[in-house]
Amino acid sequence: AQTVTQSQPEMSVQEAETVTLSCTYDTSESDYYLFWYKQPPSRQMILVIRQEAYKQQNATENRFSVNFQKAAKSFSLKISDSQLGDAAMYFCAYKGYGGSQGNLIFGKGTKLSVKP
Amino acid sequence: SAVISQKPSRDICQRGTSLTIQCQVDSQVTMMFWYRQQPGQSLTLIATANQGSEATYESGFVIDKFPISRPNLTFSTLTVSNMSPEDSSIYLCSVEGPGGSYGYTFGSGTRLTVV
Repeated sequence: AQTVTQSQPEMSVQEAETVTLSCTYDTSESDYYLFWYKQPPSRQMILVIRQEAYKQQNATENRFSVNFQKAAKSFSLKISDSQLGDAAMYFCAYKGYGGSQGNLIFGKGTKLSVKP
Repeated sequence: SAVISQKPSRDICQRGTSLTIQCQVDSQVTMMFWYRQQPGQSLTLIATANQGSEATYESGFVIDKFPISRPNLTFSTLTVSNMSPEDSSIYLCSVEGPGGSYGYTFGSGTRLTVV
């Protein structure tokens, strides 16, 4: 069974600085998707960034980028120029490829605090 | 991506009663997913709801406790039955993006407190 591990329960970053959140996963599949979700106190789960495993190029969305290391089964999220609005729980998630692999498998999350 | 309206946003319920949570999607989707997020925890899949067939439940979740309806391709309900304080959680519905690769869209969640 696939598992997702986030080893940092809490992280803190100074406003305007850069922070990296770690995620590792375990799977025997070769094709899959990886995601980072943000959950602010409003509870809304917001998709931050996604990565297809077959793509070697790391995904980037504005201030958010990932370091995807397929062989190491690592998928870290880098947040540049951190803003107060980035404070939230961040969840790493895995999804198998294909219609039968419908659900997301989540890590336990990392609580990010942003200091002004 | 799809837009999901989830109701209620929160509720406080007496133990032994039931609560039905509704999710309405603005487009037709094949599968809808129901998750539970216990306090301070990650999301755990409860069941997958397909239109026209019974929901598929994950290990540890049973239909008698969490009956699900899926009357059409845009709507689903999750009922939390015979509630106890241990059922106090956030419940979220979710649908898959086009082709599965765009991630999932989530409802805004229902914060349930059982007293």
